Amino acid sequence: AQSVTQLGSHVSVSEGALVLLRCNYSSSVPPYLFWYVQYPNQGLQLLLKYTTGATLVKGINGFEAEFKKSETSFHLTKPSAHMSDAAEYFCAVSGGSKSTFGDGTTLTVKP
Amino acid sequence: NAGVMQNPRHLVRRRGQEARLRCSPMKGHSHVYWYRQLPEEGLKFMVYLQKENIIDESGMPKERFSAEFPKEGPSILRIQQVVRGDSAAYFCASSGMGAYSTDTQYFGPGTRLTVL
Repeated sequence: AQSVTQLGSHVSVSEGALVLLRCNYSSSVPPYLFWYVQYPNQGLQLLLKYTTGATLVKGINGFEAEFKKSETSFHLTKPSAHMSDAAEYFCAVSGGSKSTFGDGTTLTVKP
Repeated sequence: NAGVMQNPRHLVRRRGQEARLRCSPMKGHSHVYWYRQLPEEGLKFMVYLQKENIIDESGMPKERFSAEFPKEGPSILRIQQVVRGDSAAYFCASSGMGAYSTDTQYFGPGTRLTVL
């Protein structure tokens, strides 16, 4: 069994500020972890993924995430927010034949 | 370099009608996954198929919903006798290797079903 909890359904930051989107997971097997971004009326685009190896994963658009097994977390960060980062972000865990998604976090970037 | 294609992008049906959603995976991909996204919610897994086989349908409602991925042609998600609660965005994803690998699932743009 697996589950994902995204803390905070809405996050608002100022342009240039740090972005931190939180994700905690549970999985009965070693997890594969993903972050996706969804723009309005579009599909999901993969930002980054963790499978094995280095726990700090770098993705597209300046995002990165760190896998912390002891905390069962996979938080997404970006040092400096840009207006184009405004979107909905989904954390997902994969173990077996399906991926389980969190309910999403809507990121708003204020000018 | 076509990605995952879904059609139609928008579908309107009246209660009791049938909805057929199509998904063409990325070239070379033989694994297809269907997810449903209700308003203000994340994606919920429905079914995982390979060519001509249903591998995991644990997320499919027991009635009215069916899926297939024939040897030739797109994968089809069929919803019979639609009800208002079926209104959602339905996403298809594909991968080149199986779900038990580290292979990434690539998502289509989704079909937004509205049931009147």
